[in-house]
Amino acid sequence: NAGVMQNPRHLVRRRGQEARLRCSPMKGHSHVYWYRQLPEEGLKFMVYLQKENIIDESGMPKERFSAEFPKEGPSILRIQQVVRGDSAAYFCASRHQQRQETQYFGPGTRLLVL
Amino acid sequence: LAKTTQPISMDSYEGQEVNITCSHNNIATNDYITWYQQFPSQGPRFIIQGYKTKVTNEVASLFIPADRKSSTLSLPRVSLSDTAVYYCLVGDQAGTALIFGKGTTLSVSS
Repeated sequence: NAGVMQNPRHLVRRRGQEARLRCSPMKGHSHVYWYRQLPEEGLKFMVYLQKENIIDESGMPKERFSAEFPKEGPSILRIQQVVRGDSAAYFCASRHQQRQETQYFGPGTRLLVL
Repeated sequence: LAKTTQPISMDSYEGQEVNITCSHNNIATNDYITWYQQFPSQGPRFIIQGYKTKVTNEVASLFIPADRKSSTLSLPRVSLSDTAVYYCLVGDQAGTALIFGKGTTLSVSS
C-alpha cells in the first residue's frame, strides 16, 4: 500500500515564476492537508481539503497561493509569482474519512526560489 | 488545540532507553496525543498515538497518566538511526490541522 506521494521532490524556480506542487494521498484517503516548513522550524499548517472542497484555508497566504483537490487526480498547491521567501519544504498529509485523528505525511517538495 | 511543551534537545548513547516528556496542561476531553518523528529532508513519520494509560507498538511506548496533562514517549534501546526530531501533538477527532511546535531534537551517539 503506497504512502503519500509528492512530486516533484525538488523544484527550482526564479522569482516571478509559478510553482506547482502535487500530492497523491494514500489509497482510500479523501482528506488532504498542506504544511510548510521553513529551515530550523516546525511545520505550519496551510490548507485542508476534501475532494472538490476547501475545508480550511486559514493558514494560506491571501495572495499568490491556491490549492485544489479535484475529483480525479492529485491535490495541487500552486504558488504564483514566487519570491525568495517562498523557499521552503512543503509537505502534504492525508487521512482516512473515519480515522480523523491520524495524518500521514509525504516526503515533501523542497522549493528553492533563486 | 492544546499547546504542548517539550525539551528542545536530548542526548543519548546507543542501547539506552530514551524518555521524552511532553506537557499539555490544557488538553481537552476529546484530544488524542500523537508523536511524530522527522529525519532531515523527510516528512514527519507517525510513531504512536494514545488517549490514556499506556500504548505500545513495535517502535515505542507511550505513557499517559490519569490526568492526561503530560505524556512520555519511550524509545527502548536507541540506535544511531533514532537521531531525529520528535514532535508531540494533541488534537481531537475533528480532523483539524495539526499544530507543530519546535519538537525535541534527539541526538544518539556511539
